[in-house]
Amino acid sequence: AQSVTQLGSHVSVSEGALVLLRCNYSSSVPPYLFWYVQYPNQGLQLLLKYTSAATLVKGINGFEAEFKKSETSFHLTKPSAHMSDAAEYFCAVKGSGFQKLVFGTGTRLLVSP
Amino acid sequence: GAVVSQHPSWVICKSGTSVKIECRSLDFQATTMFWYRQFPKQSLMLMATSNEGSKATYEQGVEKDKFLINHASLTLSTLTVTSAHPEDSSFYICSAQLNTGELFFGEGSRLTVL
Repeated sequence: AQSVTQLGSHVSVSEGALVLLRCNYSSSVPPYLFWYVQYPNQGLQLLLKYTSAATLVKGINGFEAEFKKSETSFHLTKPSAHMSDAAEYFCAVKGSGFQKLVFGTGTRLLVSP
Repeated sequence: GAVVSQHPSWVICKSGTSVKIECRSLDFQATTMFWYRQFPKQSLMLMATSNEGSKATYEQGVEKDKFLINHASLTLSTLTVTSAHPEDSSFYICSAQLNTGELFFGEGSRLTVL
């Protein structure tokens, strides 16, 4: 079975500061890992995904994440936060390309001027 | 990327009525679609897996007779909330799966039951 744990239900940063959203996974097989962003009253948009290729994954809007097997982590980072980055972020895992996706509890990113 | 559309985006209904939510893959065919439920400020919980031409597979604890799912074509899955009650009020999101396994999500449908 697969699961993800997102540390911190809320993360606050100033505009221009580094963004770090934490995600640790548990999987009995090599995982597929994802980060999604959700704006209020909207669906989910894929930021990036790890599917056993390069461990450093670059996504949209300047986000990237690094798969670290030894730490079972897949933390999301962005060098400089923008006001428009304020949203809910979900880490998700599945055991293969066709298994169901399991979501973390989400982290709300707050960006202050 | 592929587009998945949900309709309606918002729906308000009276207690005891039934509500149908549609999920369409606009530019690809999806043999598998998924339905999720999201309570305020919480994560997405998978309700069921919808397979074209066959019965949906429901997650544990989800009432099959309450949440009827029909996947009649490769581009359309519907979720019908039958005899809705206020506790069914929630944000419902669907996703459609490409033949590569990649998922694309709809915009979500907010149901409010009075």
